[in-house]
Amino acid sequence: EPEVTQTPSHQVTQMGQEVILRCVPISNHLYFYWYRQILGQKVEFLVSFYNNEISEKSEIFDDQFSVERPDGSNFTLKIRSTKLEDSAMYFCASSGASGRGKTEAFFGQGTRLTVV
Amino acid sequence: AQSVTQLDSQVPVFEEAPVELRCNYSSSVSVYLFWYVQYPNQGLQLLLKYLSGSTLVKGINGFEAEFNKSQTSFHLRKPSVHISDTAEYFCAVSDQGTGGFKTIFGAGTRLFVKA
Repeated sequence: EPEVTQTPSHQVTQMGQEVILRCVPISNHLYFYWYRQILGQKVEFLVSFYNNEISEKSEIFDDQFSVERPDGSNFTLKIRSTKLEDSAMYFCASSGASGRGKTEAFFGQGTRLTVV
Repeated sequence: AQSVTQLDSQVPVFEEAPVELRCNYSSSVSVYLFWYVQYPNQGLQLLLKYLSGSTLVKGINGFEAEFNKSQTSFHLRKPSVHISDTAEYFCAVSDQGTGGFKTIFGAGTRLFVKA
């Protein structure tokens, strides 16, 4: 079964450094998302992306964050200057316009970001 | 705006006992409802979903949930739990809007199954 893959599974970075989290959505999906889960808390929506532009973003998604689909397969989340409070699990998801992809978003296994 | 309320932050239960994890949602439009499970240090796994039709939805691992529109609830149940069911369970609501398939999660319920 097709799946969303995220790399790396765990990333440690120094405070103030830029970090890029990578995701490969399901190939025929059209909508892409990032979510964040701070340890012990709920999963929070960050941003959705469609047709090469942001379609919706939350209050969390400030100027420190950016998303990009640099080629036909990858979807990335960049945090420009990481802060300690950016430490969290980041989930990528994708959904499509037909079949199962039309009625649910498929989530990756997450990247655990630790800012030290 | 959509929201999800999970009424219990923790539910301890003995092995082989039944369990119900409660979830209420609010939305002004037709929604899709989901339950996800998250085992320690792992990602999100879809347990079941409600899209339309029968209000009783069966999922994986023996779980089921009932959609109740009048009470805006989507409670998760299992008749007999196992130690391996110990995990965090998230109720979620979603619809198809301009942002695609944005999913809103509840705060989670930690199910702790005791021997």
